[in-house]
Amino acid sequence: NAGVTQTPKFRVLKTGQSMTLLCAQDMNHEYMYWYRQDPGMGLRLIHYSVGEGTTAKGEVPDGYNVSRLKKQNFLLGLESAAPSQTSVYFCASSYVQNAIQETQYFGPGTRLLVL
Amino acid sequence: KQEVTQIPAALRVPEGENLVLNCSFTDSAIYNLQWFRQDPGKGLTSLLLIQSSQREQTSGRLNASLDKSSGRSTLYIAASQPGDSATYLCAVRADTGFQKLVFGTGTRLLVSP
Repeated sequence: NAGVTQTPKFRVLKTGQSMTLLCAQDMNHEYMYWYRQDPGMGLRLIHYSVGEGTTAKGEVPDGYNVSRLKKQNFLLGLESAAPSQTSVYFCASSYVQNAIQETQYFGPGTRLLVL
Repeated sequence: KQEVTQIPAALRVPEGENLVLNCSFTDSAIYNLQWFRQDPGKGLTSLLLIQSSQREQTSGRLNASLDKSSGRSTLYIAASQPGDSATYLCAVRADTGFQKLVFGTGTRLLVSP
């Protein structure tokens, strides 16, 4: 049981390049989330998904797109990377009980540097 | 808008000392509050979750309390060990709408041998 995994662990991009971050979970969780963590700002929610085929915007969605084609995977895309997107990205998942989200399980993070 | 503050931002204590980490939040309409641990270069691990109807939760040497009306929570660590060195984050979950988690910026703890 691997939990939540993220690929890649580290990436360097040039401004304007695109990339996709992959998150996978093997816990059959309904909900999945993408956060970014920046110094002094805490974790902020980028996008989330409440089930296969559904996505929704979080606090800071601009410049990112997501897809949830399979229940176990949640992809985060940067179409045209900007230096402001330099950050550590975390994926998380949670199960839902009685319409309430339970504890979120986090992946190890992807460190992204945009030059 | 919910805001979560953690004080102090950093704390250094000698091994064996008992310590308290503080978390405050501006909107008392929460469903629950969680404390997480984050090791350098790693993801977050949930330590304790307190429902809004509860006053405290305990796990081993950790005890978390919640005073919803005053918008405060504390994480008490007894007999600290070097292995407790990490960043501790608290997060509150709203009790309406999507119930997203709002995180504090964390307290970086260093326990010296």
